[in-house]
Amino acid sequence: AQSVTQLDSHVSVSEGTPVLLRCNYSSSYSPSLFWYVQHPNKGLQLLLKYTSAATLVKGINGFEAEFKKSETSFHLTKPSAHMSDAAEYFCAIYTGTASKLTFGTGTRLQVTL
Amino acid sequence: EAGVTQFPSHSVIEKGQTVTLRCDPISGHDNLYWYRRVMGKEIKFLLHFVKESKQDESGMPNNRFLAERTGGTYSTLKVQPAELEDSGVYFCASSSGTLRHTEAFFGQGTRLTVV
Repeated sequence: AQSVTQLDSHVSVSEGTPVLLRCNYSSSYSPSLFWYVQHPNKGLQLLLKYTSAATLVKGINGFEAEFKKSETSFHLTKPSAHMSDAAEYFCAIYTGTASKLTFGTGTRLQVTL
Repeated sequence: EAGVTQFPSHSVIEKGQTVTLRCDPISGHDNLYWYRRVMGKEIKFLLHFVKESKQDESGMPNNRFLAERTGGTYSTLKVQPAELEDSGVYFCASSSGTLRHTEAFFGQGTRLTVV
């Protein structure tokens, strides 16, 4: 079975400070890992994905994530938060043994002035 | 290029009524997925179509839910009769290939409220 755990349901940062959203995974197979973002009244948008190539993955809007097999983690980071980053973020896993993405419970990011 | 489109965006129905949700995938995408997010919880897989065939329907909660994709284009998800626990946001996604190699594009979701 495959699963992801998002360790924080809410994260609040000040504009201009770093962002860290945490995700741990569990999988018996080599996983693909994803981060999606959902802005209010919008669909889920893919930020970045890891598929067994480079362990440091760069995505859109300055986000990046590092796959750490030893820690079974895939944390999302951004050096400097912007007000427009306020949204809900979802970590997801795919192993190819099933045809589906398995999502975490989401982390709501709040960015304050 | 048009994205994944879902109708309606919101639906409020009474317990026991029937509701049909529609999803129009990106043109040419053979793979179509339905997911659901019950309030505050994770987004859960419901089922996966490849063209008009159900590839995986392991996430369908019970036989009150019926998904169809006639002709391999748009899909509908019918809930009959609706129960209170069916409330949530229903997402549709489509992809041109497997999720390891291609991106799944999501619609904005249909928010279903059963009262």
